[in-house]
Amino acid sequence: AQKVTQAQTEISVVEKEDVTLDCVYETRDTTYYLFWYKQPPSGELVFLIRRNSFDEQNEISGRYSWNFQKSTSSFNFTITASQVVDSAVYFCALSDTTSGTYKYIFGTGTRLKVLA
Amino acid sequence: KAGVTQTPRYLIKTRGQQVTLSCSPISGHRSVSWYQQTPGQGLQFLFEYFSETQRNKGNFPGRFSGRQFSNSRSEMNVSTLELGDSALYLCASSIREITDTQYFGPGTRLTVL
Repeated sequence: AQKVTQAQTEISVVEKEDVTLDCVYETRDTTYYLFWYKQPPSGELVFLIRRNSFDEQNEISGRYSWNFQKSTSSFNFTITASQVVDSAVYFCALSDTTSGTYKYIFGTGTRLKVLA
Repeated sequence: KAGVTQTPRYLIKTRGQQVTLSCSPISGHRSVSWYQQTPGQGLQFLFEYFSETQRNKGNFPGRFSGRQFSNSRSEMNVSTLELGDSALYLCASSIREITDTQYFGPGTRLTVL
């Protein structure tokens, strides 16, 4: 079955702390894509990263980094030196061809609160 | 380059009515997807259109339908509205495939009374 689990419902950190958001996925496909999106209070989903199943290299973009481990079916997201502007709901998503057509499955999201 | 636009931004309807939402993708993007976001069910994939054809579909009843025009603009229709259809409806566009990077619009907030 196709599934994305974000076990952390809400995380609160103090500014400048590092924080890791967990994402665990399930799929039977060998080819799939993983994504992270940010949804600030304004409501618009903002794309952060896209990763295909054949690329296990970790990625760093400024204060953001992602750790993709196929062995544990995880795609975790770390924010280094968090800032108040990072406060948002973060969604992990999976796209694969389970049942013959592409589906796009989102996790339930993790609400991150960064306190000044 | 202009982003994804959705109209209207807010809608209030009553049960039994129908509603049409509109989405204009980023110029050059040919894939348009629709999502429903509710506090209880989270973000759920409705369907995806490409070249005026529905290419992928989520698990929603037939009351939810859509179409895409030759200029890639898309509309979503919900007939016989139910209270549970109250949600934020998000549209996203990508260059060609649903697995490409998707860019989301601001959404249409639908309230069914």
